[in-house]
Amino acid sequence: EAQVTQNPRYLITVTGKKLTVTCSQNMNHEYMSWYRQDPGLGLRQIYYSMNVEVTDKGDVPEGYKVSRKEKRNFPLILESPSPNQTSLYFCASSLNQGIHGYTFGSGTRLTVV
Amino acid sequence: KNEVEQSPQNLTAQEGEFITINCSYSVGISALHWLQQHPGGGIVSLFMLSSGKKKHGRLIATINIQEKHSSLHITASHPRDSAVYICAVRSGKLFYFGTGSSLTVIP
Repeated sequence: EAQVTQNPRYLITVTGKKLTVTCSQNMNHEYMSWYRQDPGLGLRQIYYSMNVEVTDKGDVPEGYKVSRKEKRNFPLILESPSPNQTSLYFCASSLNQGIHGYTFGSGTRLTVV
Repeated sequence: KNEVEQSPQNLTAQEGEFITINCSYSVGISALHWLQQHPGGGIVSLFMLSSGKKKHGRLIATINIQEKHSSLHITASHPRDSAVYICAVRSGKLFYFGTGSSLTVIP
């Protein structure tokens, strides 16, 4: 089944403890991206990647890192999480820059205390 | 800054009604997307538009590039259409999203 898999689905962590949210797709998509969703603000793009070893900042990249060493994986790294990074995170991928739409992961609900 | 504005924010309809959700944007775009987010949180891509009109089943999406406006129409609405509908625009390599329109369809 074609899908984007995010892990974990839920995560509670403490301020300053490094964490990684994984994202993997099995569709050979070039484009992958991370978003956060907050009440009243909607979805906002954090980082995106056009292909392996090609990543760039989105609208709200502060406090996040990404890497794209393989085409299928695009992990989101929070080196020193803070409470304002408590949010619902989505990973998405697409072929041909979204001409055929985007496939989203199921989301990761992160709470930083 | 709100590059994408949607209306209405909340909408309740009776089953069978015709629904329209509007999206206006302020940036130059290469494409506009309509997304559907169900109560469980999952997001599904409905349409990608760069011009004109697209139809998929009971859903119709239109875009007017000159007016920087798009509409999503749902004909013969059904309770399973209850969801949040999100408009997203691609501007250069970045994406901007509306805050969503929450639709509830009552049987």
